[in-house]
Amino acid sequence: EIVLTQSPATLSLSPGERATLSCRASQSVSSYLAWYQQKPGQAPRLLIYDASNRATGIPARFSGSGSGTDFTLTISSLEPEDFAVYYCQQRSNWPPEVTFGQGTRLEIK
Amino acid sequence: QVQLQESGPGLVKPSQTLSLTCTVSGGSISSGGYYWSWIRQHPGKGLEWIGYIYYSGSTYYNPSLKSRVTISVDTSKNQFSLKLSSVTAADTAVYYCAREAPTPSFFDPWGQGTLVTVSS
Repeated sequence: EIVLTQSPATLSLSPGERATLSCRASQSVSSYLAWYQQKPGQAPRLLIYDASNRATGIPARFSGSGSGTDFTLTISSLEPEDFAVYYCQQRSNWPPEVTFGQGTRLEIK
Repeated sequence: QVQLQESGPGLVKPSQTLSLTCTVSGGSISSGGYYWSWIRQHPGKGLEWIGYIYYSGSTYYNPSLKSRVTISVDTSKNQFSLKLSSVTAADTAVYYCAREAPTPSFFDPWGQGTLVTVSS
């Protein structure tokens, strides 16, 4: 099983600041990594797929980068609605198992 | 656009079987190209993938749940279902259905989720 480790567990920032979230895989996942945002009481929302492709309707302030084992989600200038929990996710080739990171909580400072 | 909606009992007794259905609208499960998946989230915790089914009926389950999970599909109703047997309080969670694009893998869209509580 490929383990995804997200850091930090909690990130405290102010609106307008830049957020950098990390996801590290226990073995290479190529570029096959996705990022999600989840707000309380809501289902996760896809932000980024294939490490760096924004999903439909996702603002340009969200960007993803990385390959292999190290990935980053960057929010260039935080808006009030961006404070939420963020998860990374991958599927291994074989066995075809999906794993999620444990999440990073982005909170208002 | 494709939408998913979970349905099923919100309360299940210990040792019984949890049964949920996901109804897909705006697109056909039979068109292929996607995995139809179940994911759960324990209260205040992270996301746990349960398994998927393809329109053909092929499945793959999380090894940690494999002995208790069955996912099935009814293409005539455009639905897929989850059965989890011998439930305990540890199976109390919000259960989501979602469509997965297999390569590169990502889940979109998701259902709104349904809370299932295991309690006598």
